[in-house]
Amino acid sequence: GNSVTQMEGPVTLSEEAFLTINCTYTATGYPSLFWYVQYPGEGLQLLLKATKADDKGSNKGFEATYRKETTSFHLEKGSVQVSDSAVYFCALITNAGNMLTFGGGTRLMVKP
Amino acid sequence: DAGVIQSPRHEVTEMGQEVTLRCKPISGHNSLFWYRQTMMRGLELLIYFNNNVPIDDSGMPEDRFSAKMPNASFSTLKIQPSEPRDSAVYFCASRGGGVSRNTEAFFGQGTRLTVV
Repeated sequence: GNSVTQMEGPVTLSEEAFLTINCTYTATGYPSLFWYVQYPGEGLQLLLKATKADDKGSNKGFEATYRKETTSFHLEKGSVQVSDSAVYFCALITNAGNMLTFGGGTRLMVKP
Repeated sequence: DAGVIQSPRHEVTEMGQEVTLRCKPISGHNSLFWYRQTMMRGLELLIYFNNNVPIDDSGMPEDRFSAKMPNASFSTLKIQPSEPRDSAVYFCASRGGGVSRNTEAFFGQGTRLTVV
């Protein structure tokens, strides 16, 4: 079956620090990979995605590269802001199905 | 499009009462998902529909939970009778693109359910 493993949080950083949130996956079939973000009191919204190996998804200063050889899709941002404080979910879907498989989520807290 | 619309946003009910959560997916999307989120268990998939047909309900916790999708623009999740452990945020999501793996799911704002 499919599964997604994320680093456990919370991750606490100072403003302007570098962020990495690790995500690895196992999948039956060829997956597309996604990062979702959930701000306090809101639903999940798509942050970025990559649909094939070596693709880089990017949005709002966040980036993640689809690494098939290491089955990873780590989220990075060079300089975080207080407004980036949220919960981040890594997810995948394969061409064998219709369901998104989510990781457990990683809470990021950025302090001024 | 207004996105996925859920109602109510907040629901407080007494133990034993029936609760109905509602969802309007994005027009044209053919898949609909119900999730439950709690601090203890994180985000759990309860059930999903494809073309209004329930495909996988293995995540529904017990018979007190039921979900319907009478047409392409409306779904309900019902809990009867409700219990305090059902307190959670319930999300609805919809997705287009059929079996294509390249399209993402869009989430509603959620319904925060509190059972006292």
